[in-house]
Amino acid sequence: DAGVIQSPRHEVTEMGQEVTLRCKPISGHDYLFWYRQTMMRGLELLIYFNNNVPIDDSGMPEDRFSAKMPNASFSTLKIQPSEPRDSAVYFCASRAAGGPAGELFFGEGSRLTVL
Amino acid sequence: AQRVTQPEKLLSVFKGAPVELKCNYSYSGSPELFWYVQYSRQRLQLLLRHISRESIKGFTADLNKGETSFHLKKPFAQEEDSAMYYCALRGPGGYQKVTFGTGTKLQVIP
Repeated sequence: DAGVIQSPRHEVTEMGQEVTLRCKPISGHDYLFWYRQTMMRGLELLIYFNNNVPIDDSGMPEDRFSAKMPNASFSTLKIQPSEPRDSAVYFCASRAAGGPAGELFFGEGSRLTVL
Repeated sequence: AQRVTQPEKLLSVFKGAPVELKCNYSYSGSPELFWYVQYSRQRLQLLLRHISRESIKGFTADLNKGETSFHLKKPFAQEEDSAMYYCALRGPGGYQKVTFGTGTKLQVIP
């Protein structure tokens, strides 16, 4: 298995543009998490899904952020419109329900720069 | 609310010196604590969990409920230990939310 796959790896866009980040979890994993990493705040949980259903989206900063998981092998995080303060590295992670407690498998991240 | 605090953004030590990365948590219950590590150009990965009481790559961490701490320790630092370290917490009862601290960058000086 190639692990959790994220795309794009790097995205540079201008303020006001729509940004879509994509994630393919490890096959068979029931949970999918979106995290945002910044120097000031570290890793913040934005939202997580269980069996494609959003369970906790309390970390989504604003209505400009939305996430979907249309099927077990794909999830998107969308920012519309984007702002410079959204610049960060966005990580997707997954885990299996029966896996070791707390062990998340992370993707390589998508580095977003909003000018 | 569950919270994890890592007071140091950067910790620099000389090779062979002891290492202690601090982590304090806030949780009204019995949480599960973890340490994750991110080496340069690699993915964030689990280093160790308190439940296992294991030693990984020479690192250990003891959960101190009285002080609500879970410090990561290693007696002799090696250059390959240089990385970003995150302390993380998960509440019990099957709740899946894992909360991370802000991370500490460990720099081992040759």
